[in-house]
Amino acid sequence: DQQVKQNSPSLSVQEGRISILNCDYTNSMFDYFLWYKKYPAEGPTFLISISSIKDKNEDGRFTVFLNKSAKHLSLHIVPSQPGDSAVYFCAARTQGAQKLVFGQGTRLTINP
Amino acid sequence: DTGVSQNPRHKITKRGQNVTFRCDPISEHNRLYWYRQTLGQGPEFLTYFQNEAQLEKSRLLSDRFSAERPKGSFSTLEIQRTEQGDSAMYLCASSFVGRGREQYFGPGTRLTVT
Repeated sequence: DQQVKQNSPSLSVQEGRISILNCDYTNSMFDYFLWYKKYPAEGPTFLISISSIKDKNEDGRFTVFLNKSAKHLSLHIVPSQPGDSAVYFCAARTQGAQKLVFGQGTRLTINP
Repeated sequence: DTGVSQNPRHKITKRGQNVTFRCDPISEHNRLYWYRQTLGQGPEFLTYFQNEAQLEKSRLLSDRFSAERPKGSFSTLEIQRTEQGDSAMYLCASSFVGRGREQYFGPGTRLTVT
């Protein structure tokens, strides 16, 4: 039962363009969503998060959008840089719970 | 500022042996989590502690797995009688109650059971 899904295993984007990573969820009790970035041989690094009471959160080049009716969130990176090449995971949490439920990840490659 | 540290980084063991991993959280973080990640998947929750109390365990945590956090500081995860299916990356994370809900992850311990 995959409650958080990232349907694109990989994405290739040209440097300077916008990268859009997508995530869908099935559990309507999720109220907090996070994006993590992972380089090889390192643990996931927290990027940005959004509460279910918002539909957008922005931090520098990173913006997360949440569409609760569609149970969909996306991460926009603009402009994309070579250092953004990594695996990106979306994660979700229900109110009062501590565990994060992760998607399978999307490998983003930024081409020069 | 030191982040979450985990030791060892890599462990190769033979099936049937016991292994123990250690996690040192960010100082002053009172919540500590263990996750497991297999190839091509996202991390899966195993268990978490608030201070020294283990408050939740996943059904993934079979009887062969045990985790402790004595004195509410570092934590250990022990796997007894390892099986090949235990081969995975074991990730530790920590957070501070009342200061955001993000969890900060360590580099992980990669376990290979031969």
